Amino acid sequence: EPEVTQTPSHQVTQMGQEVILRCVPISNHLYFYWYRQILGQKVEFLVSFYNNEISEKSEIFDDQFSVERPDGSNFTLKIRSTKLEDSAMYFCASSEPAYEQYFGPGTRLTVT
Amino acid sequence: QKEVEQNSGPLSVPEGAIASLNCTYSDRVSQSFFWYRQYSGKSPELIMSIYSNGDKEDGRFTAQLNKASQYVSLLIRDSQPSDSATYLCAVNIHGGATNKLIFGTGTLLAVQP
Repeated sequence: EPEVTQTPSHQVTQMGQEVILRCVPISNHLYFYWYRQILGQKVEFLVSFYNNEISEKSEIFDDQFSVERPDGSNFTLKIRSTKLEDSAMYFCASSEPAYEQYFGPGTRLTVT
Repeated sequence: QKEVEQNSGPLSVPEGAIASLNCTYSDRVSQSFFWYRQYSGKSPELIMSIYSNGDKEDGRFTAQLNKASQYVSLLIRDSQPSDSATYLCAVNIHGGATNKLIFGTGTLLAVQP
């Protein structure tokens, strides 16, 4: 069964460093998303991406964040200058034109 | 502010019983509703979607939607210890070209052997 994959599973970085989280969505899906979940809190929407552009972003997704689909399979989230409060699980999700979104296993980002 | 509300639990049920999980949402224009299961330290796993009023059954799971009351529920029949997890209600807010999901805080279900 096709699934969303994410790498790395765990990323430790120092405050102020740039990180890139990588995702490979399900191959025939057209919509891509990033969500995050701070420990003990709810899953929060960050950004949606369709047709090679951002379709919506949340207030969390400020100028420090960017997304890219560099080739036909990868979807990346870049955080330019990490802060302590960026520590969270980051989930990539994808969907067909229908609405069911399938989540990857997540990347645990720890900012020290 | 568009909100999705769930009782955080824990909801404790004996093995073999029916577990009933509830969710309310504030945005009347919401059109699509989802239940995800999340084991501790893992990602959300889609278990049910429902788009129209009424019941939708899939194996031991039944989702119920009442748009007039802005209420969606999940019933798990013959609960098993492996069902013990946090159940997340998610609502699709349709706006423009986005399909973003708004999640509730989740209800922790504990099935006692």
